[in-house]
Amino acid sequence: NAGVTQTPKFRVLKTGQSMTLLCAQDMNHEYMYWYRQDPGMGLRLIHYSVGEGTTAKGEVPDGYNVSRLKKQNFLLGLESAAPSQTSVYFCASSYSRFGQDSTDTQYFGPGTRLTVL
Amino acid sequence: GQNIDQPTEMTATEGAIVQINCTYQTSGFNGLFWYQQHAGEAPTFLSYNVLDGLEEKGRFSSFLSRSKGYSYLLLKELQMKDSASYLCAVLDNYGQNFVFGPGTRLSVLP
Repeated sequence: NAGVTQTPKFRVLKTGQSMTLLCAQDMNHEYMYWYRQDPGMGLRLIHYSVGEGTTAKGEVPDGYNVSRLKKQNFLLGLESAAPSQTSVYFCASSYSRFGQDSTDTQYFGPGTRLTVL
Repeated sequence: GQNIDQPTEMTATEGAIVQINCTYQTSGFNGLFWYQQHAGEAPTFLSYNVLDGLEEKGRFSSFLSRSKGYSYLLLKELQMKDSASYLCAVLDNYGQNFVFGPGTRLSVLP
């Protein structure tokens, strides 16, 4: 049982390049999330999904696209990377919406450190 | 809009008690969460409050006052391994938005 995994762990991009971050979970969770974490700003929600084939915008969706073609996978895409997207990206999943059931929580992956030059 | 405030840094001594405060102003309220995050690692869940009052889990307790937009995390019998950032987060707008505060970095000294 691997929990939530993220690929890759580190990446350096040049401005204008594109890439896709992969998140996978083996807990059969309906809900999945992408966050970014920047110094002094805490985690901010980029996009989330309430089930296979669905996506929704979070607090900071601009410049990112997402897809949830399979229940266990949630992909985050950067079509044209900018230096402002330099950040640590965390994926999370939960059984209930944002883990608000008393016996549930959001489980986070280990993070992807992205640098855009 | 939403605004969540926490102290940036706190220092305490091993074996002591520390209280980390969180104040929030959000559109609607559906629960407040506390997470712990060690440097370079992912956040891990500590507690969840949706009703007023105190929730106790071992050495950690969390308190919520919805009328005051206020919560605190209480850590007792501090250990060196408690040195970490503590993140307060609010679920608002009928479960449509999940907002984290900036986090409080706690240093536990021997």
